[in-house]
Amino acid sequence: EAGVVQSPRYKIIEKKQPVAFWCNPISGHNTLYWYRQNLGQGPELLIRYENEEAVDDSQLPKDRFSAERLKGVDSTLKIQPAELGDSAVYLCASSLGVSVAYEQYFGPGTRLTVT
Amino acid sequence: AQSVTQLGSHVSVSEGALVLLRCNYSSSVPPYLFWYVQYPNQGLQLLLKYTSAATLVKGINGFEAEFKKSETSFHLTKPSAHMSDAAEYFCAVSKETSGSRLTFGEGTQLTVNP
Repeated sequence: EAGVVQSPRYKIIEKKQPVAFWCNPISGHNTLYWYRQNLGQGPELLIRYENEEAVDDSQLPKDRFSAERLKGVDSTLKIQPAELGDSAVYLCASSLGVSVAYEQYFGPGTRLTVT
Repeated sequence: AQSVTQLGSHVSVSEGALVLLRCNYSSSVPPYLFWYVQYPNQGLQLLLKYTSAATLVKGINGFEAEFKKSETSFHLTKPSAHMSDAAEYFCAVSKETSGSRLTFGEGTQLTVNP
């Protein structure tokens, strides 16, 4: 079974430029998560989707970040414009459902460097 | 609010020695607790989780953790370290009422010396 797929794996952009990350979750997983992991820290949840609906986006900086999950499968996370402080690894994860009983499976992440 | 504190950002052990990674949690309600491992340039992988059943939880790769409510701890152990255990380890907490929202600690980098 294929795992969570993310692309690109690495991205270097200049500040004020836009950037987008793509995630394909495990087939059949209704719940999708985007996390941001700063260097030397644990992941922090940005947004959680239940099918197409964003059910928890309280940590998403909505002035510059946006996300969508069309048709309840793939998801895209966008930053516009990027700032130096956005340099981090962006992780996507998926699970069968929103209950804490369901394991979250993580993708390898996209490492963003903003110069 | 719930949180976890991992004591020691770096732990170094010799191959074959005991591994002990410490995690203390803060939660106003009975928590769910997790340990994840992250190898370089990879995503996180679940090692084990506590969900209010047995307090001693066994996970993959020979790891186990014990939930101690009186100490608010969930330390991760492995009797004998292997070179392949070198990675970063994260403790995380959640609660049923928040569903699958995980709060992670800052991580502990484990080095295994030959």
